[in-house]
Amino acid sequence: QKEVEQNSGPLSVPEGAIASLNCTYSDRGSQSFFWYRQYSGKSPELIMFIYSNGDKEDGRFTAQLNKASQYVSLLIRDSQPSDSATYLCAALYSSASKIIFGSGTRLSIRP
Amino acid sequence: SAVISQKPSRDICQRGTSLTIQCQVDSQVTMMFWYRQQPGQSLTLIATANQGSEATYESGFVIDKFPISRPNLTFSTLTVSNMSPEDSSIYLCTAGGRDYGYTFGSGTRLTVV
Repeated sequence: QKEVEQNSGPLSVPEGAIASLNCTYSDRGSQSFFWYRQYSGKSPELIMFIYSNGDKEDGRFTAQLNKASQYVSLLIRDSQPSDSATYLCAALYSSASKIIFGSGTRLSIRP
Repeated sequence: SAVISQKPSRDICQRGTSLTIQCQVDSQVTMMFWYRQQPGQSLTLIATANQGSEATYESGFVIDKFPISRPNLTFSTLTVSNMSPEDSSIYLCTAGGRDYGYTFGSGTRLTVV
């Protein structure tokens, strides 16, 4: 059973701080990993993807991948109230041609 | 990233009828997927839409209920057949690639009455 696990939260972070979101996956065959942000009533929006070990930075966002530990994380620096949303972690299992999503982490940025 | 146009955005349907949802991608993509999202829950994969062959369905989803077409590398449809209130949900398509990520359509909010 291919699984992606996330803490459902809610995770509350003060404005301006770093928000850290974590995700683990069960199948070592997964090759690419994605972070989506979803506002209530909207479809998921892709904010980061990563497929190599290490860090990948894009503006205030940093994705981290550790394949040995089967662990993916997303850091949001200088958190803003507009970052309050549900963050979905997903893994692409190329061998099975499917993308599996975690249950999502609710993030709340408090002013 | 690919841009996906999905329609309809919402519909209210009578039980026993069928609804076809369309997704158009602005570029050729190998992989397209269809998901369902219940309120307050994560995304459940329905099937992978394969170009030129039958879709690959996940456990709990069958072709007779959710027929999928993929006539070319930019277009796919999902039909929800013989609908019941339990089919009320948001249906989403996604497409893209490993090297540039997968983007979602805006979703179809389906209500079956």
